[in-house]
Amino acid sequence: EAQVTQNPRYLITVTGKKLTVTCSQNMNHEYMSWYRQDPGLGLRQIYYSMNVEVTDKGDVPEGYKVSRKEKRNFPLILESPSPNQTSLYFCASSLAGTSGGVTYFGPGTRLTVT
Amino acid sequence: GDSVTQMEGPVTLSEEAFLTINCTYTATGYPSLFWYVQYPGEGLQLLLKATKADDKGSNKGFEATYRKETTSFHLEKGSVQVSDSAVYFCALSPRSGGSYIPTFGRGTSLIVHP
Repeated sequence: EAQVTQNPRYLITVTGKKLTVTCSQNMNHEYMSWYRQDPGLGLRQIYYSMNVEVTDKGDVPEGYKVSRKEKRNFPLILESPSPNQTSLYFCASSLAGTSGGVTYFGPGTRLTVT
Repeated sequence: GDSVTQMEGPVTLSEEAFLTINCTYTATGYPSLFWYVQYPGEGLQLLLKATKADDKGSNKGFEATYRKETTSFHLEKGSVQVSDSAVYFCALSPRSGGSYIPTFGRGTSLIVHP
C-alpha cells in the first residue's frame, strides 16, 4: 500500500529538549515536504526536498532542521523546541514532474511543547 | 509565484443542502488542480483532480471543473451529508518550468448539521 508514515503521532515535550519526527514514504517519490497546521493559518510549509541531499526552506523554517540522506526518509529535527512550535505537523511526498502529480500526506504528528 | 485562494470558513450547512466552495488560482502555465479533504484527526487525502482546462474531476458526489478562463476550480456537491464535515483544501501542482512544488489554499472548514 502506498503510504507516508510519521512517528510519533503524538508527542509532549519540554522547552529545549531536542526531538526528531521521522517521515518515510514507500512510493519512490523525489519530492518530500514538511508542513505545520495551526488554527486559522492553514498549512504552512517548513522545508522541502526535491531529491536526496537537496533541501530548501519553505515559508516558516526558523527553529527546524531537515536532512535527506535517503530517498524514502525525510526527518524533521527540532534542536531546541519552544512553545510556539506546538502544532500539528504533516509530512508529504509527491512524484515531482509527473503530470497531475498527487501529494500524499502522512497522518500527522501532534506536538506539544511546554 | 503561484497562489491559491479559497473562501474562508467555516461553511455551515444542513444535511442535503447544496455545497459550493470557491477556489481561484494564480499560476504560470497550466497547472494540475486538486481538492484534498482532511477528516477530523487525519491527514489530507486526495478528493479529486483535473489536469487540463474544462476537465471535470469527481469523487464521492463532489465535482469541480477546471476553468482556465476564470482561473477557478470551485468544489460542488448537490446534497451534503453529516459525514462530509471536514476541512477542504484547494491546491495546484505545476506541470512545467522545472519547479514542481505544490501550492495549497488555506482550507475551508465544512460543518454539516443533521
